Amino acid sequence: QSVLTQPPSASGTPGQRVTISCSGSYSNVGSDNVYWYQQVPGTAPKLLIYNDYRRPSGVPARFSGSKSGSSASLDISGLQSEDAADYYCAAWDARLQGYVFGSGTTVDVL
Amino acid sequence: EAKVVESGGGLVQPGGPLRLSCEGTGFMLSNYWMHWVRQAPGKGPVWVARMNEDGRRTDHADSVRGRFTISRDTARNTLYLQLNSLRAEDSALYYCVKDFVGPEESWGQGTLVTVSS
Repeated sequence: QSVLTQPPSASGTPGQRVTISCSGSYSNVGSDNVYWYQQVPGTAPKLLIYNDYRRPSGVPARFSGSKSGSSASLDISGLQSEDAADYYCAAWDARLQGYVFGSGTTVDVL
Repeated sequence: EAKVVESGGGLVQPGGPLRLSCEGTGFMLSNYWMHWVRQAPGKGPVWVARMNEDGRRTDHADSVRGRFTISRDTARNTLYLQLNSLRAEDSALYYCVKDFVGPEESWGQGTLVTVSS
């Protein structure tokens, strides 16, 4: 059972906006940065968002992150077919003294 | 271009040891936090361990603490993960990650560990 909770699935048509939530607690999301990963089956996870909302070089601007209290969100605006993948949130957990990942959300582009 | 390449995975019996290696090219391990992350087939990624830039600080996940040890050889620019007392639930693809969760993050292709009799 994951420390961070995400909805198992989300979907949208091309051009739509999709939002994925990540719910944690005071010891992780509520007290430290949140990170978001995209994983296409058969490949390594790819960092999309770091430090709550920052994008690494090369990540499209349609991906954005936000946080409020112990919950965070990843928004994908202008959904594209290549966005079909699994998405994971992650954070440092001060109580466990380690990084924890979310349960993962599979995004389908209809 | 910074790159990490893992090796050392394989089939091992329960209770046995294994040592994974991660060679860095195009950068110095001593300039970054280095991490190991694993992922079992069909499951999400799980953080395993990390070492800081000067090698003096290491952290291990609760599930592996006391059984796994992260270390490095700066002369070889290589990171290691010593796996002892292996269990079936340790079976996974093990990734070496440079600058995990940072803007210069880089993952290897992974090395597969299978624990089975």
